Amino acid sequence: GQNIDQPTEMTATEGAIVQINCTYQTSGFNGLFWYQQHAGEAPTFLSYNVLDGLEEKGRFSSFLSRSKGYSYLLLKELQMKDSASYLCASNTNAGKSTFGDGTTLTVKP
Amino acid sequence: DAGVIQSPRHEVTEMGQEVTLRCKPISGHDYLFWYRQTMMRGLELLIYFNNNVPIDDSGMPEDRFSAKMPNASFSTLKIQPSEPRDSAVYFCASSLNRYEQFFGPGTRLTVL
Repeated sequence: GQNIDQPTEMTATEGAIVQINCTYQTSGFNGLFWYQQHAGEAPTFLSYNVLDGLEEKGRFSSFLSRSKGYSYLLLKELQMKDSASYLCASNTNAGKSTFGDGTTLTVKP
Repeated sequence: DAGVIQSPRHEVTEMGQEVTLRCKPISGHDYLFWYRQTMMRGLELLIYFNNNVPIDDSGMPEDRFSAKMPNASFSTLKIQPSEPRDSAVYFCASSLNRYEQFFGPGTRLTVL
């Protein structure tokens, strides 16, 4: 079966750094997605990690440890517009994705 | 490119009626995904296609749901008969490589 766990809510201050953790237990694991979803909008792809290590894309970075079943999304220089839900999803070799419930991030001035 | 196009954007129907949701993927994308999102269950993958062929439909809730992709530029998700518990936002997404998926704006379905 598949099990994805991430915190429900987080709060951070504008300009700060925040790390959103995700743990997974996935049979036939291939990789891990991170999506951003603003309220009332569609999810937007942020990253897909297959190999262990950190991948950086501008202010956003994503890390994966396959042996630990663990990933995190790191957001630097937080902006108010980063307030959103962040979804972690595991993907299997067969292409099936299972999503976590999402972490609602609130950025405060 | 206009991105993934879904129609209708909102649908309100009565229990027992047939509902058809439509999706036009981004031109050139070989993969198409249908998702459902609710407060209770979060975002769920229902089915995905590769080159118009259904690859995994294990997420389709039951026989009342069916999806087709008659050509590379069009897909439908049909619910017949609809039930109140089907009320959700249904997203279609497309991808070149199965990984970087581009989502449409979604169809908000309400079944009374």
